[in-house]
Amino acid sequence: NAGVTQTPKFQVLKTGQSMTLQCAQDMNHNSMYWYRQDPGMGLRLIYYSASEGTTDKGEVPNGYNVSRLNKREFSLRLESAAPSQTSVYFCASSKKTGGDNTEAFFGQGTRLTVV
Amino acid sequence: RKEVEQDPGPFNVPEGATVAFNCTYSNSASQSFFWYRQDCRKEPKLLMSVYSSGNEDGRFTAQLNRASQYISLLIRDSKLSDSATYLCVVNLKKGSSSGGYQKVTFGTGTKLQVIP
Repeated sequence: NAGVTQTPKFQVLKTGQSMTLQCAQDMNHNSMYWYRQDPGMGLRLIYYSASEGTTDKGEVPNGYNVSRLNKREFSLRLESAAPSQTSVYFCASSKKTGGDNTEAFFGQGTRLTVV
Repeated sequence: RKEVEQDPGPFNVPEGATVAFNCTYSNSASQSFFWYRQDCRKEPKLLMSVYSSGNEDGRFTAQLNRASQYISLLIRDSKLSDSATYLCVVNLKKGSSSGGYQKVTFGTGTKLQVIP
């Protein structure tokens, strides 16, 4: 059981370049998320998708777009990368564990550097 | 005000010590609460859920105080392997009562370093 798989694990971009971070989960979860993690800032939500076909902005959506391709896949796109987008990006999916409890499962992260 | 706030630490404690972390949340409608552990350069992983009555898992005890809107994590008999960052997580159900989704919000994390 692979869980949440993110690609690539590492990436260096030049300012202005574009790229797409891929995420797939094989746990049949409805909800998926993209976070970025920066020193001293913790995990900040970029976008989330409550279910296939729906996406919503999180705390820091500017400069990003997302696509929930199907239930399994949720991609994050940087159209024109900026140095401020240098960060570690985590994809996650979540399931209900009983009542209103939800457990989130994370991918291994993508370390992105924009020069 | 941040939705979830934690003391970033670091907490440097000797092996065998007891250490406690607190976390406060701003939305009183928040419904479920968790502690996650994140090792250096790794992804966060669920440590334990936090239940209203408090719960224990081995050396770890989690408590919830809804009136004051904080949760806590107590680690007894600290081990070197406990060194990590501990993330407080708060879930809020959004949307209709018959459906909706869970909004998952993370604190910035508290760094623990257990010293030999």
